[in-house]
Amino acid sequence: AQTVTQSQPEMSVQEAETVTLSCTYDTSENNYYLFWYKQPPSRQMILVIRQEAYKQQNATENRFSVNFQKAAKSFSLKISDSQLGDTAMYFCASGHYGGSQGNLIFGKGTKLSVKP
Amino acid sequence: SQTIHQWPATLVQPVGSPLSLECTVEGTSNPNLYWYRQAAGRGLQLLFYSIGIDQISSEVPQNLSASRPQDRQFILSSKKLLLSDSGFYLCAWGKGGRSYEQYFGPGTRLTVT
Repeated sequence: AQTVTQSQPEMSVQEAETVTLSCTYDTSENNYYLFWYKQPPSRQMILVIRQEAYKQQNATENRFSVNFQKAAKSFSLKISDSQLGDTAMYFCASGHYGGSQGNLIFGKGTKLSVKP
Repeated sequence: SQTIHQWPATLVQPVGSPLSLECTVEGTSNPNLYWYRQAAGRGLQLLFYSIGIDQISSEVPQNLSASRPQDRQFILSSKKLLLSDSGFYLCAWGKGGRSYEQYFGPGTRLTVT
């Protein structure tokens, strides 16, 4: 069975600084996707970034980037130049090819607070 | 562009009352649809998913049920609510196939009293 672990329940960072959120996963699949979702106080889940396991290059979306270490099954999220609007819960998730249901496995989340 | 709607946004219901939460998707056809529950301070629990009309799979046995009467409509129901059904309910859609990201609706906050 797939599992996703986020070992940091809470983190804080000063505005404009950089923070890294950790995620490890376990899967027996060779082909899979990894995601980071953001859930701000409004509680709507927003897709931040995705990584395809067969791609070695780390994904980047503006201030958000990942460090994907396939052998270590690690998928961390780096937020550069943190902004107050980045305050949210962040969830790591994995999904694998095969079948059509596309189910995702979510970690329990990391609560990030950006301080002015 | 695709959008996903959920209603109601908030709901307060007494124990033993029925429940109906609705989710609709616009701008796409034949989406995969999902219902999740999020208890306070916790992660997401997948409740149901559907790959097509009348094709529903349950992940967690409980007193909830789901239906998909139309391609882009997904309904979460209960005949008799329990206190433990309180939580934040999220609907999501996905393209399925080789694209596994899911897109979430705004959610419904359910309080069972």
